[in-house]
Amino acid sequence: DAEITQSPRHKITETGRQVTLACHQTWNHNNMFWYRQDLGHGLRLIHYSYGVQDTNKGEVSDGYSVSRSNTEDLPLTLESAASSQTSVYFCASSEGQHSGNTIYFGEGSWLTVV
Amino acid sequence: AQKVTQAQTEISVVEKEDVTLDCVYETRDTTYYLFWYKQPPSGELVFLIRRNSFDEQNEISGRYSWNFQKSTSSFNFTITASQVVDSAVYFCALSEAQDYGQNFVFGPGTRLSVLP
Repeated sequence: DAEITQSPRHKITETGRQVTLACHQTWNHNNMFWYRQDLGHGLRLIHYSYGVQDTNKGEVSDGYSVSRSNTEDLPLTLESAASSQTSVYFCASSEGQHSGNTIYFGEGSWLTVV
Repeated sequence: AQKVTQAQTEISVVEKEDVTLDCVYETRDTTYYLFWYKQPPSGELVFLIRRNSFDEQNEISGRYSWNFQKSTSSFNFTITASQVVDSAVYFCALSEAQDYGQNFVFGPGTRLSVLP
């Protein structure tokens, strides 16, 4: 079955280190998204991509970057991890440009910055 | 700008009670889609339902039902005869048509606790 997978699922890192969270989907979806989930804030969009070589900033993009070199992958990089970036990160994907496309989520990556 | 409000932050019910989770949305578009997702304690986000703005028929799936009312911009979710396994955070979401891509906005979520 097609799916969307994230790795690592859990990570502890130190302040100032660069961290990359991987996201891989096998649905051949054009759209991919990264969200973070924090208590009291719900799901907030970090970055998104509508296709290869396309990336866009979301609501809370400062301190994060993404690249889309193929359809399947959208890695999220924290350039210099900060304690405020301790969160649960969800990757998601949807099929195309139709607003009715359902977004499907990965299992989440729990990141702790100490 | 589009917006989704879930006024109930937390709800607690006793098993077998019916419970309704409210969702109110704002949009200027005539074409849009509404969604519900479930996040159980294990953390994953599970898609439950999608409804487009032109279909106001209520939907029923087992113990779950959804009431879409454009006149009040609401898309409420009712669980009948709740069970402990229904304990989760539930998110309502809105997606509007765009010239390019998809704009998806989530509500803040409602935490439902079903007590045995």
